[in-house]
Amino acid sequence: EADIYQTPRYLVIGTGKKITLECSQTMGHDKMYWYQQDPGMELHLIHYSYGVNSTEKGDLSSESTVSRIRTEHFPLTLESARPSHTSQYLCASSAPGRALETQYFGPGTRLLVL
Amino acid sequence: GESVGLHLPTLSVQEGDNSIINCAYSNSASDYFIWYKQESGKGPQFIIDIRSNMDKRQGQRVTVLLNKTVKHLSLQIAATQPGDSAVYFCGAGYGQNFVFGPGTRLSVLP
Repeated sequence: EADIYQTPRYLVIGTGKKITLECSQTMGHDKMYWYQQDPGMELHLIHYSYGVNSTEKGDLSSESTVSRIRTEHFPLTLESARPSHTSQYLCASSAPGRALETQYFGPGTRLLVL
Repeated sequence: GESVGLHLPTLSVQEGDNSIINCAYSNSASDYFIWYKQESGKGPQFIIDIRSNMDKRQGQRVTVLLNKTVKHLSLQIAATQPGDSAVYFCGAGYGQNFVFGPGTRLSVLP
């Protein structure tokens, strides 16, 4: 099993609150990703990073922001949560330089904004 | 825009039968394809991948077939077991990122 962790696993929070979803991996992977997944729907890439100090926006527009100060850590922040942010957020990482990029996923954070 | 889709949202098979899950992709530039399994309450788990220079790849009880002519990908699971019940995603990769399909829910009947 891959060593990638997400906390919290579940979060219920009120509108307007600032939240940070944590993601850490101990595999030394340079590339990390955040996906948003609504129930029964596909994964949408919202952020990714090639390494420390690298962050890029993904295909799906998101009001969240990310940072990559350390290789192993890729937190996602919502400055002011809204009900439309209710979803599952999945973090992933992949090994550097491989021709076949296998992404290892964390268990996800289920977010409910009231 | 680019899309990856699955032919069926749900699939039910008898335990012991073979399962076939299909996927279509739109971008002919895609050169890497992957299948993930996602069990309830868990993150996606890698099953098998294939590059565009291959048309078949086998793993343990799973086979992925790639038909680049019609941009079609399939996952075959041999002797389906109750533990195979999950949602299966296909992904098509090009450049640095992947596009994932919505998933097919596989239910294994006793």
